[in-house]
Amino acid sequence: QSVLTQPPSASGTPGQTVTISCSTSNSNIGTNTVSWYLQVPRTAPKLLIYSNTQRPSGVPDRFSGSKSGTSASLAISGLQSGDEGDYFCAAWDDTLHGPLFGGGTKLTV
Amino acid sequence: EVFLVESGGDLIQPGGSLRLSCAASGFTFNTYAMYWVRQAPGKGLEWVSALSGSRISLYYRDSVKGRFTISRDNSKNALFLHMNSLRVEDTAVYYCAKDLFSSVVSGVFDSWGQGTLVTVSS
Repeated sequence: QSVLTQPPSASGTPGQTVTISCSTSNSNIGTNTVSWYLQVPRTAPKLLIYSNTQRPSGVPDRFSGSKSGTSASLAISGLQSGDEGDYFCAAWDDTLHGPLFGGGTKLTV
Repeated sequence: EVFLVESGGDLIQPGGSLRLSCAASGFTFNTYAMYWVRQAPGKGLEWVSALSGSRISLYYRDSVKGRFTISRDNSKNALFLHMNSLRVEDTAVYYCAKDLFSSVVSGVFDSWGQGTLVTVSS
């Protein structure tokens, strides 16, 4: 079964930069682009990054994405308390015929 | 502004059926693929099903194939998920989500509803 692996937790202090990783051993998934979502408890997820590096309008440039091979990363600079929540990466899985989500990383500020 | 509002979640016994609805507004509904994504209590996100705007392309994850049916009424800007033979492991908050891109099934979700809770238990 295909898997996108994320660290279960990450932390930082206000103003710091934190990086969250997302990796797969599946080359099928590795050729597809990665998206990132933030879910604040008891709310719906919000799209932060798509196509590996693109930010939807309204997402601050403190959030940046990158991808190399079968690994992707989300960097959050100038950490704020409002950045706390669960971060999920996702990529299209050609075998699943749908998007596969990572297990999520809980960020504590 | 895009709005997605789900309804239909309930407590249902194993083997039962349920129909979820999602009312959409704020965009040209028939040009965007729509999705159902679920989240079991305390767990991560899991894509369930996708349906293109034209209703030509539809996809299901393996665990729901043959039990769930996705459909849409473009004249009413509505998305549905018909769920049969429900199992305990189908218990989750079910989100309706919209594709970021028009005219494709990309699996990137730029708008989500607030979710509706389906609890399968005896």
